[in-house]
Amino acid sequence: KAGVTQTPRYLIKTRGQQVTLSCSPISGHRSVSWYQQTPGQGLQFLFEYFSETQRNKGNFPGRFSGRQFSNSRSEMNVSTLELGDSALYLCASSPTARGAGELFFGEGSRLTVL
Amino acid sequence: AQTVTQSQPEMSVQEAETVTLSCTYDTSESDYYLFWYKQPPSRQMILVIRQEAYKQQNATENRFSVNFQKAAKSFSLKISDSQLGDAAMYFCAYRSAGGTSYGKLTFGQGTILTVHP
Repeated sequence: KAGVTQTPRYLIKTRGQQVTLSCSPISGHRSVSWYQQTPGQGLQFLFEYFSETQRNKGNFPGRFSGRQFSNSRSEMNVSTLELGDSALYLCASSPTARGAGELFFGEGSRLTVL
Repeated sequence: AQTVTQSQPEMSVQEAETVTLSCTYDTSESDYYLFWYKQPPSRQMILVIRQEAYKQQNATENRFSVNFQKAAKSFSLKISDSQLGDAAMYFCAYRSAGGTSYGKLTFGQGTILTVHP
């Protein structure tokens, strides 16, 4: 089975621009979660989608948004980029994202904001 | 809100020896799940081991085992017979068993493990 695929792997943007990151989950997984990883704040939960519905959301401003398509692929968007948005954005998929179930992570998209 | 604390930013171990990584957490919930994830330099995080809070028995996975102390809210990871491939950042993570916990793991700050040959 192919793993979680994230694109692009690296990107550079300037302040004020917007960015869209893509995540293709493992086949059959209906839940996709997004995390932001920075040296200062560590790993922080952004949001989770299941069957095209956002089920849970972390404490991030409205500039961060996401969506999930009928094939379970997910995108996250960050508008009006700020320097502090520079981070590794990780996507994780699972069948249900509940209980002791494992999250399967992608390699991440490294965003640099100049 | 739950918090997870890993008090050891860095640890090192000699190959073939044993190392223990510490993790404490704070929660008012009685039902939850705990995980250790490993993030090698390539950045893809993988699950090392998991523990269900209602199970008293400590989880083990080959060379990896945990010491789960629910009353103390402690969840340490022991790696036996350390191998060079164990070198990575290790994250302790918490997931609530509650109804709004979908996809949300609360992570500790991580411990960088170096393995010396």
